[in-house]
Amino acid sequence: AQTVTQSQPEMSVQEAETVTLSCTYDTSESDYYLFWYKQPPSRQMILVIRQEAYKQQNATENRFSVNFQKAAKSFSLKISDSQLGDAAMYFCAYMYSGGGADGLTFGKGTHLIIQP
Amino acid sequence: KAGVTQTPRYLIKTRGQQVTLSCSPISGHRSVSWYQQTPGQGLQFLFEYFSETQRNKGNFPGRFSGRQFSNSRSEMNVSTLELGDSALYLCASSLDSADGNYGYTFGSGTRLTVV
Repeated sequence: AQTVTQSQPEMSVQEAETVTLSCTYDTSESDYYLFWYKQPPSRQMILVIRQEAYKQQNATENRFSVNFQKAAKSFSLKISDSQLGDAAMYFCAYMYSGGGADGLTFGKGTHLIIQP
Repeated sequence: KAGVTQTPRYLIKTRGQQVTLSCSPISGHRSVSWYQQTPGQGLQFLFEYFSETQRNKGNFPGRFSGRQFSNSRSEMNVSTLELGDSALYLCASSLDSADGNYGYTFGSGTRLTVV
């Protein structure tokens, strides 16, 4: 079974600085999707960025980018120019591309604090 | 475009009772998945429905069940509630979960407290 590990329970960064959240995963599959979701106090999970495992190029969405290292099974999220609105829980998630038999597998999350 | 709507937002039930939670997906989305979120276990996959059929199921006891209607709305039922069922229950909809390119859109969840 696949597992997702987020080793940083909490991270703190100054507003306008850059922060990187770590995620590692374990799977025997070669084709899959990886996601970063953000969960603010409103509780709704919001998709931040998505990466297809067969693509070498790292995904980017405005201030958010990933460093996808398939061989190392690492998928970190970089947030540039941090804003107060970025404060939230961030979850890394995995899904096998052959169908959602196990749904999304989530890590335990990283609580991101933005210092003004 | 309306998002994923979950009702009710909060619920308090007594041990032994049963509860039904509702999820209305984004218009046009045919896949609805349910997740349980607790401080101890994190986010865990319950099940997924697609075109009124349960397509996938997580590792939860049979007390947890669900269904999907022809309009894609889904309900989740938990019978004989236990204290450990206290959690945030999240619903996610997608055009078709078999393709991760579609992505998942989550609702704001139902906070269930069992006393």
